Amino acid sequence: EVQLVESGGGLAQPGESLRLSCAGSGFTFSSYGMNWVRQAPGKGLEWLSYISDGSSNMYYADSVKGRFTVSRDNARNSLYLQMNSLRAEDTAVYYCARSANLAVWGQGTMVTVSS
Amino acid sequence: DIQMTQSPSSLSASVGDRVTITCRASQGISNSLAWFQQKPGKAPKSLIYGASTLQSGVPSKFSGSGSGTDFTLIISSLQPEDFATYFCQQYNTYPYTFGQGTKLE
Repeated sequence: EVQLVESGGGLAQPGESLRLSCAGSGFTFSSYGMNWVRQAPGKGLEWLSYISDGSSNMYYADSVKGRFTVSRDNARNSLYLQMNSLRAEDTAVYYCARSANLAVWGQGTMVTVSS
Repeated sequence: DIQMTQSPSSLSASVGDRVTITCRASQGISNSLAWFQQKPGKAPKSLIYGASTLQSGVPSKFSGSGSGTDFTLIISSLQPEDFATYFCQQYNTYPYTFGQGTKLE
């Protein structure tokens, strides 16, 4: 079964950092570009970042550029999102999703930024 | 950035109805358009990619069409499990962008 499982969410204070992880299984992880997408409570979907299969290309939304960094470890079938300088507006459920057309999604991990 | 405008934002329908949701891109995106279904508290589920190709396992009552700037999702013969929020997304150009969603109720 193709599966993505996010972890690492939780409560952080403004200015702090968190690192999210996404574990892939049931498919050849190293063959796919991967994305991070978030959804603030009661709001729509916001694409955040993409990393190509071999990590040669990375793209970011302006809202997180310079604060968030996407990376992956194909040997561990894992995707990461390092989130620095967190703000209240980063409070959301964070999803990882496979390939440009977001064919497969994880269940999400909640990040709350609050003092 | 490419703006994706969905209409309507909400839609009242009944079991057995056929409904149409539209998505318009602010500039041409060829056929790089996907549709998703999301139920409360759940992750989005991919329905269609390439504007008209059904994801594996998605029933044929869902259909998509369009190219360039105008796209359509049609759901025929609504069933109770189809009442959800639907989003479109363009993946032609970074940053990828989503429509604001259509809540089917």
